[in-house]
Amino acid sequence: DVKVTQSSRYLVKRTGEKVFLECVQDMDHENMFWYRQDPGLGLRLIYFSYDVKMKEKGDIPEGYSVSREKKERFSLILESASTNQTSMYLCASSKGGQGMNTEAFFGQGTRLTVV
Amino acid sequence: EDKVVQSPLSLVVHEGDTVTLNCSYEVTNFRSLLWYKQEKKAPTFLFMLTSSGIEKKSGRLSSILDKKELFSILNITATQTGDSAVYLCAVGYNAGNMLTFGGGTRLMVKP
Repeated sequence: DVKVTQSSRYLVKRTGEKVFLECVQDMDHENMFWYRQDPGLGLRLIYFSYDVKMKEKGDIPEGYSVSREKKERFSLILESASTNQTSMYLCASSKGGQGMNTEAFFGQGTRLTVV
Repeated sequence: EDKVVQSPLSLVVHEGDTVTLNCSYEVTNFRSLLWYKQEKKAPTFLFMLTSSGIEKKSGRLSSILDKKELFSILNITATQTGDSAVYLCAVGYNAGNMLTFGGGTRLMVKP
């Protein structure tokens, strides 16, 4: 059974804190994604990685960074959390290198609240 | 700017009704269109469409893509309360496997 695991379901952090959201997949997928989901705005792509140590900015990368040191793990980092980063964060992975689009599998989501 | 637009934003129907959800897109180097169902947790995959005019079907759900008019529809026949969810459309584009989502359609099926 395929699995994408996000380290936390719920997080509450203070403004200005550095926040790490971890995502691990066990499917040997090349591609990994971080999205945030807000009411009325759907899923918006923050960052995407198609290989270890490779990353591309998505639609809303400001205020975020990512790390992909190992194929199975993709971390999202909020360098200095702000209240407008309160959201549901979804990690996803998919098979294939560049040039292929295949089904993306999602983690359960992390609901982050910044106070 | 690349974009994916879903309509309607929300829909309330009664069990047994048939619904049609719409997804239009405007992206560079289209690769595929995917439909997902999201209940309380993670989105779950329904269909992936890459070719025009070929219907994909799974039980009461079916979907078709029109690459000329740049849209897809998701049909659900004989709806059940368990179909209540947010339905998400995503478009894969460019060589880098980018996936952009629409805003979703929230479907509520009443008994």
